[in-house]
Amino acid sequence: NAGVTQTPKFQVLKTGQSMTLQCAQDMNHEYMSWYRQDPGMGLRLIHYSVGAGITDQGEVPNGYNVSRSTTEDFPLRLLSAAPSQTSVYFCASRRQGPSNQPQHFGDGTRLSIL
Amino acid sequence: EDQVTQSPEALRLQEGESSSLNCSYTVSGLRGLFWYRQDPGKGPEFLFTLYSAGEEKEKERLKATLTKKESFLHITAPKPEDSATYLCAVQENNNDMRFGAGTRLTVKP
Repeated sequence: NAGVTQTPKFQVLKTGQSMTLQCAQDMNHEYMSWYRQDPGMGLRLIHYSVGAGITDQGEVPNGYNVSRSTTEDFPLRLLSAAPSQTSVYFCASRRQGPSNQPQHFGDGTRLSIL
Repeated sequence: EDQVTQSPEALRLQEGESSSLNCSYTVSGLRGLFWYRQDPGKGPEFLFTLYSAGEEKEKERLKATLTKKESFLHITAPKPEDSATYLCAVQENNNDMRFGAGTRLTVKP
């Protein structure tokens, strides 16, 4: 049972480069989300999706794009990487419906922007 | 502004020394409060959901409690394998979960 799978685990980019962080889940969860985790701060929501074809912004969406073409996949795109986007990125999924369903997290992508 | 504050930031215990972690929150409407455990280099792992004041849940050496303004994670007779960062999160509506910064727990043998 793979759960939530994130790739790559580590990435180093130069300022201005673009890249896509991949996230896939095999639990048929409708809701998927992206968070970033920075030292001394809680996980902050970047974007989320309640189903294929539906996405919305979270707390810190600037500089990131998402799309949801299938239930399983929810990629996060950095359009033009900036040093402020150096962080650990986590993807999560849960069943949609009752709002208090726990989220299942991947093991993260550690991203450094030089 | 809605906030989730965890204290202390870090806690060092001897094996067997019981203690509590605190999560205080100021949100307009609580739909659920979640506790997660996070090990280094890993994603958060779900522990508990609490829905209403007065509720308690237990799992092995951990017990979570909830009041209208805060939640406690009680750790009874901890072991070194309980060392981790413990995260608290509150859900205000269907799609918004707000996390605290976490408490980093170290249990020495």
